[in-house]
Amino acid sequence: DSGVTQTPKHLITATGQRVTLRCSPRSGDLSVYWYQQSLDQGLQFLIQYYNGEERAKGNILERFSAQQFPDLHSELNLSSLELGDSALYFCASSVDAGPNTGELFFGEGSRLTVL
Amino acid sequence: GENVEQHPSTLSVQEGDSAVIKCTYSDSASNYFPWYKQELGKGPQLIIDIRSNVGEKKDQRIAVTLNKTAKHFSLHITETQPEDSAVYFCAVVGYNFNKFYFGSGTKLNVKP
Repeated sequence: DSGVTQTPKHLITATGQRVTLRCSPRSGDLSVYWYQQSLDQGLQFLIQYYNGEERAKGNILERFSAQQFPDLHSELNLSSLELGDSALYFCASSVDAGPNTGELFFGEGSRLTVL
Repeated sequence: GENVEQHPSTLSVQEGDSAVIKCTYSDSASNYFPWYKQELGKGPQLIIDIRSNVGEKKDQRIAVTLNKTAKHFSLHITETQPEDSAVYFCAVVGYNFNKFYFGSGTKLNVKP
């Protein structure tokens, strides 16, 4: 158990809909990362937050947004969903966001299926 | 952004043999190179990492080597066991540690 909690584990929805994925980082970790893993694909970096502030942006679509709340949990919002958004979405956390970042701790992912 | 290439995409070895997975990267400013193992239905988990001031690091049956000049690094697993079967990802992290760029993954199958 990495200590990172993601909900829901599975989600099935229709095209055009909007969903919210939630992540609770490990206790004490200030940095949260979101990744998308499509079928048999690698991990695509979406966005990173550190202590409530956006720190870095990757290949995140404009239809997607995220935020990190004062209690450090994070939410990834996916809107106007398309079939191609079906993927496993991972949240990861780390204690820091600078040179001492070291290990990322991953949750077990939220599997999104868009029909 | 960083371009990370990982090879091979699949690797099948006999139990007891060695396995080697290689990654190349493009940004010479990158300075942290972790390897993650993803078992079926789980999130990736760090198994070993190396920083740019070190050429090799070992932890029991696994080792990582780094060639900064050539911009490539490799994961070596010796005496493979069936429980080593998983998907392995390399990652490259820049000097500001803001972005972890992952390779496309290698599916390792260790046959008993």
